[in-house]
Amino acid sequence: ETGVTQTPRHLVMGMTNKKSLKCEQHLGHNAMYWYKQSAKKPLELMFVYSLEERVENNSVPSRFSPECPNSSHLFLHLHTLQPEDSALYLCASSQAAPHGGTQYFGPGTRLLVL
Amino acid sequence: QKEVEQNSGPLSVPEGAIASLNCTYSDRGSQSFFWYRQYSGKSPELIMFIYSNGDKEDGRFTAQLNKASQYVSLLIRDSQPSDSATYLCAVNEISSGSARQLTFGSGTQLTVLP
Repeated sequence: ETGVTQTPRHLVMGMTNKKSLKCEQHLGHNAMYWYKQSAKKPLELMFVYSLEERVENNSVPSRFSPECPNSSHLFLHLHTLQPEDSALYLCASSQAAPHGGTQYFGPGTRLLVL
Repeated sequence: QKEVEQNSGPLSVPEGAIASLNCTYSDRGSQSFFWYRQYSGKSPELIMFIYSNGDKEDGRFTAQLNKASQYVSLLIRDSQPSDSATYLCAVNEISSGSARQLTFGSGTQLTVLP
């Protein structure tokens, strides 16, 4: 595997389900990100893990819970989601530098909440 | 609130023409600027990044940055139908610690007509 991988690629879940999205990066990076992309809206940064620091968008509901066990793996735990949470969820990784570098994206998980 | 503005389009150009994509940003402290291309149903892929005022060329692509005017653009020369995609402008805000956050525009949809 190369680059940034995400599983599953597609997910359909009910509002009472609990599921997790997984991301793995093979680029030697030390920062990882979760983004939400809804139709006709800009990419929305949800969470950042960089070295020992976690940064989050305060507008993200608590039904989304990130976990980053090491610099190569990132999870997004989902529970009691709402239909408006249906979107493309993208993981990205980069070097944790204050300047320069690039974020590389995984293929995304297309989530549908019924 | 930091903002990145793009004309949503759609922008249509004939094959072989120059496509010009524009982006303005609100935060004068922004340091790094990125252009991503996103095909329908796919994740964003990096085209170019630019840090310094002026032009940066890479093959058929030229990024232009004017920090005084808070303006960044992407020119695509000899446009091909395969360039048809949504182009996302992203701006790097320097946050505390080592985390790096990108603010994305909503994207410009480009169609290159054969």
